[in-house]
Amino acid sequence: SQTIHQWPATLVQPVGSPLSLECTVEGTSNPNLYWYRQAAGRGLQLLFYSVGIGQISSEVPQNLSASRPQDRQFILSSKKLLLSDSGFYLCAWSRAGTGNQPQHFGDGTRLSIL
Amino acid sequence: DQQVKQNSPSLSVQEGRISILNCDYTNSMFDYFLWYKKYPAEGPTFLISISSIKDKNEDGRFTVFLNKSAKHLSLHIVPSQPGDSAVYFCAASSWNSGNTPLVFGKGTRLSVIA
Repeated sequence: SQTIHQWPATLVQPVGSPLSLECTVEGTSNPNLYWYRQAAGRGLQLLFYSVGIGQISSEVPQNLSASRPQDRQFILSSKKLLLSDSGFYLCAWSRAGTGNQPQHFGDGTRLSIL
Repeated sequence: DQQVKQNSPSLSVQEGRISILNCDYTNSMFDYFLWYKKYPAEGPTFLISISSIKDKNEDGRFTVFLNKSAKHLSLHIVPSQPGDSAVYFCAASSWNSGNTPLVFGKGTRLSVIA
């Protein structure tokens, strides 16, 4: 069966510090990978998605970047965090290929910027 | 521009009764619709989906109805249980455009009262 791991579960960072959140998927090959943010009281906002190694699509302009160094690894980064980067960050995967496929989410990282 | 709308931020239902969660969409290209359930501090869990070639899909206590002419879908939970209390997200995508990411609504918080 497939599993998705996100870490850390919680993170408190000062404004201006760098960020690296990691997500890995097991039990599948060439998944589509996604990063979402859920700000307080709001829905899920897609930040980045990737259909393959080194292929990153950005959905919204922002202070963050994403990378996919390996097939099942997706990293969310920032060089300098802003207060507005606080939120709940979720990684998700879906099967590539034909047909509609649901996305499956990790347990998320609660990021607090001080 | 909110393409997927959940106009009720919250809903309270008595245990054993039916819960009906509603969702409207504006993009006529959407052809795949999903419902997710989310507990606090956890990632969303995929519940049930429906493609645009169907108007109903049932899985145990959960049934999703799709009305394409009205661009409306709903999730019925019968009978409702206290463990169903969570935030429910509606999501949609358009497979015809490729591996398009899901677009999520802002969620409806369901409270099932014992």
